[in-house]
Amino acid sequence: AQTVTQSQPEMSVQEAETVTLSCTYDTSESDYYLFWYKQPPSRQMILVIRQEAYKQQNATENRFSVNFQKAAKSFSLKISDSQLGDAAMYFCAYASPYSGAGSYQLTFGKGTKLSVIP
Amino acid sequence: DSGVTQTPKHLITATGQRVTLRCSPRSGDLSVYWYQQSLDQGLQFLIQYYNGEERAKGNILERFSAQQFPDLHSELNLSSLELGDSALYFCASSLTGGVTDTQYFGPGTRLTVL
Repeated sequence: AQTVTQSQPEMSVQEAETVTLSCTYDTSESDYYLFWYKQPPSRQMILVIRQEAYKQQNATENRFSVNFQKAAKSFSLKISDSQLGDAAMYFCAYASPYSGAGSYQLTFGKGTKLSVIP
Repeated sequence: DSGVTQTPKHLITATGQRVTLRCSPRSGDLSVYWYQQSLDQGLQFLIQYYNGEERAKGNILERFSAQQFPDLHSELNLSSLELGDSALYFCASSLTGGVTDTQYFGPGTRLTVL
């Protein structure tokens, strides 16, 4: 079974600065998908970014980018120019394409609580 | 707003009782997923449906059951409730249920078992 580990329960960043959240995963599969989801105080789970393992290029979405190191099984999230609205829980997640036709489930890490200091 | 709706937002009940949580997927999405978020277990996948059929099963207890109706809304039934069932229950939906889809999450139902 795949596992996802987020080793930083809490982090903080100064507004306008850059912060990196860590995520490692364990899998024996060669193809898979990785995600970062954000959960603000409203509790809504919001997709921030996704990465397909077969793509060597790191995914970016505006101020959010990832550093995907397949050999090291590492998938970190970098937030640039941090804003107050970035304060939230961030969850790293894994999905396998081998779960069965037309099916997939997300396996989540425990999350990292990010605080943004004005 | 993801377009996924869940009712009710909050539910308070007693041990031993049965409750039903409801989810309406985004317009056009055929697949529905249920997740449980608790303090000790974190976010866990429960079950997935596609166009009325069960597609994947995770750590769902036998006391829990779900179904997806012809109009594509889904219900999660929790019975013989225990204190440990207190959690936030999320529904998500996606277009086809395949791993290339994005899962869009609803706002969740907060269940408190007293």
